[in-house]
Amino acid sequence: DTGVSQDPRHKITKRGQNVTFRCDPISEHNRLYWYRQTLGQGPEFLTYFQNEAQLEKSRLLSDRFSAERPKGSFSTLEIQRTEQGDSAMYLCASSSSSGTSGRGSYNEQFFGPGTRLTVL
Amino acid sequence: AQKITQTQPGMFVQEKEAVTLDCTYDTSDQSYGLFWYKQPSSGEMIFLIYQGSYDEQNATEGRYSLNFQKARKSANLVISASQLGDSAMYFCASRGAGSYQLTFGKGTKLSVIP
Repeated sequence: DTGVSQDPRHKITKRGQNVTFRCDPISEHNRLYWYRQTLGQGPEFLTYFQNEAQLEKSRLLSDRFSAERPKGSFSTLEIQRTEQGDSAMYLCASSSSSGTSGRGSYNEQFFGPGTRLTVL
Repeated sequence: AQKITQTQPGMFVQEKEAVTLDCTYDTSDQSYGLFWYKQPSSGEMIFLIYQGSYDEQNATEGRYSLNFQKARKSANLVISASQLGDSAMYFCASRGAGSYQLTFGKGTKLSVIP
């Protein structure tokens, strides 16, 4: 049983550079979420996909952020012109819409290990 | 809009003892869900337990139980028989009607003492 995977696990970049993160959800999950977690805080919602459609976006997702899920499977999150304030852990999660089987019966979100971004 | 308040930045508990982690929520939705997640130092969020707003009984999952008091808008997590591996950050979260995003509190750091 493969969980949610994220790549890379760590990314160090210089201010102004673009970065892209990848998330591979649990294979049977059609919903995918991105969250950002800064030090000492809980995760904050960024965006949500159902299949390939991006259905919710937070106001936290500025114009420099873009997320895609082109074939309804993996997703990418790109940050353009990174700023030091973008330094955070970026978490991806997935869930199933069926909610009928044992795992995921509450439509709970299963999280990946995260990508830790440091902007110098 | 959802809001989660966790007032305990840190908690200590003796191994094998029970501990309660506090969570209060604020929502205008009639239907909502409440979740608890554990985040060890490795960083991955681990789902622990769920309570629906219309569930009449408190949720239980092994050593975890959720003390749901709807009138007080509280959803406290009770961990029985604490183990050293329970040392981690614990986050309470809510999900409102018609939305799939989770709103998290700031978390409580639990330390289990041998």
